[in-house]
Amino acid sequence: DGGITQSPKYLFRKEGQNVTLSCEQNLNHDAMYWYRQDPGQGLRLIYYSQIVNDFQKGDIAEGYSVSREKKESFPLTVTSAQKNPTAFYLCASSAADWTYEQYFGPGTRLTVT
Amino acid sequence: RKEVEQDPGPFNVPEGATVAFNCTYSNSASQSFFWYRQDCRKEPKLLMSVYSSGNEDGRFTAQLNRASQYISLLIRDSKLSDSATYLCVVMVSSGTYKYIFGTGTRLKVLA
Repeated sequence: DGGITQSPKYLFRKEGQNVTLSCEQNLNHDAMYWYRQDPGQGLRLIYYSQIVNDFQKGDIAEGYSVSREKKESFPLTVTSAQKNPTAFYLCASSAADWTYEQYFGPGTRLTVT
Repeated sequence: RKEVEQDPGPFNVPEGATVAFNCTYSNSASQSFFWYRQDCRKEPKLLMSVYSSGNEDGRFTAQLNRASQYISLLIRDSKLSDSATYLCVVMVSSGTYKYIFGTGTRLKVLA
């Protein structure tokens, strides 16, 4: 089955620790995205990548870093510099064709205390 | 003004009712439009893309009005399982492309 996987589903960390969230897709999509969702707010774009070895900052990139070494994988690191890291993190991908539909992974719920 | 605006609801409707949501967008470079469904604490799932000519998928109908810059979603014969938050998403293309999400409209279908 084609799809997007994110792991882990729940993650708990102490303040001051970096943490890496995994995102893998087997849809052969060129573009991948990371979003953050907070209660009562829309999805906000953290980083996106339209091609391997290239990525761009989204609207709220501060305190986050990414890499795109393989087409299938787009891990997100939440660093200790991120002031409010507790949130629901969603990874998505899309084909670079005219449909531009995005498909989401199941998300990782990060809690930092 | 937000780039994509939706009435947060909740819309409480009885089973079998017809319900409609609107979503307005402000960027005239908006190129593609989508409705997603999001259940509580789950990921958004694509419900349907919205085409200029309008499109229908079973009980769901989506319309686009470029002149007034809004899209709509109509759900007929509501089921309990339709209870969810419906997200309006606009793809803006100007050099690169970017998806802008509304905050969602919450629907509760009541037995």
